[in-house]
Amino acid sequence: DAGVTQSPTHLIKTRGQQVTLRCSPKSGHDTVSWYQQALGQGPQFIFQYYEEEERQRGNFPDRFSGHQFPNYSSELNVNALLLGDSALYLCASSLGDREGTEAFFGQGTRLTVV
Amino acid sequence: AQTVTQSQPEMSVQEAETVTLSCTYDTSESDYYLFWYKQPPSRQMILVIRQEAYKQQNATENRFSVNFQKAAKSFSLKISDSQLGDAAMYFCAYRSAWGLNTNAGKSTFGDGTTLTVKP
Repeated sequence: DAGVTQSPTHLIKTRGQQVTLRCSPKSGHDTVSWYQQALGQGPQFIFQYYEEEERQRGNFPDRFSGHQFPNYSSELNVNALLLGDSALYLCASSLGDREGTEAFFGQGTRLTVV
Repeated sequence: AQTVTQSQPEMSVQEAETVTLSCTYDTSESDYYLFWYKQPPSRQMILVIRQEAYKQQNATENRFSVNFQKAAKSFSLKISDSQLGDAAMYFCAYRSAWGLNTNAGKSTFGDGTTLTVKP
């Protein structure tokens, strides 16, 4: 049983560019959450997708957008990249209809903006 | 907004000894969930233990246990019989429960405690 998979593992982009990160949830999971983890800090909640809709959003600008597909996989898009967007981006999946269930995390995508 | 504070940036413990990691949180909500996650250098976040706020009994998972003090908004993690494989960054996390709550399902993490285990 594959866990949560994220691609790519590393990425280097130039300031002002756009980037798309991808996440495939654990088998049987229907909810995907995205987090930004800056070096030496805890993950910051970006948003959560359930049934192809954004169910909850953290304090991130509109430059951060996402999508969930019918197979529950998800994309995180960041437009107009800033140097401060450099971070580890984590995806977590869970069962959306069961409150408080464990979220399984992927290994993350390390984004560097130069 | 909810906040989670981990006041110990670094902790160390001798192998086979016991260590306690601290976590406090601030919330006005009455229903929520608390978690401890472990993040080794491989970066993958792994759930260590979970506590439902409505349960008074402290959660236990093998060598890991918590001391949940709801009134004090404290949620510490105790690791007994520490092993070399326990070395990692540990994060305390808060998740709002569902319901008529604008923060429903939203998670907040602390900034972590780096645990070193000495042989």
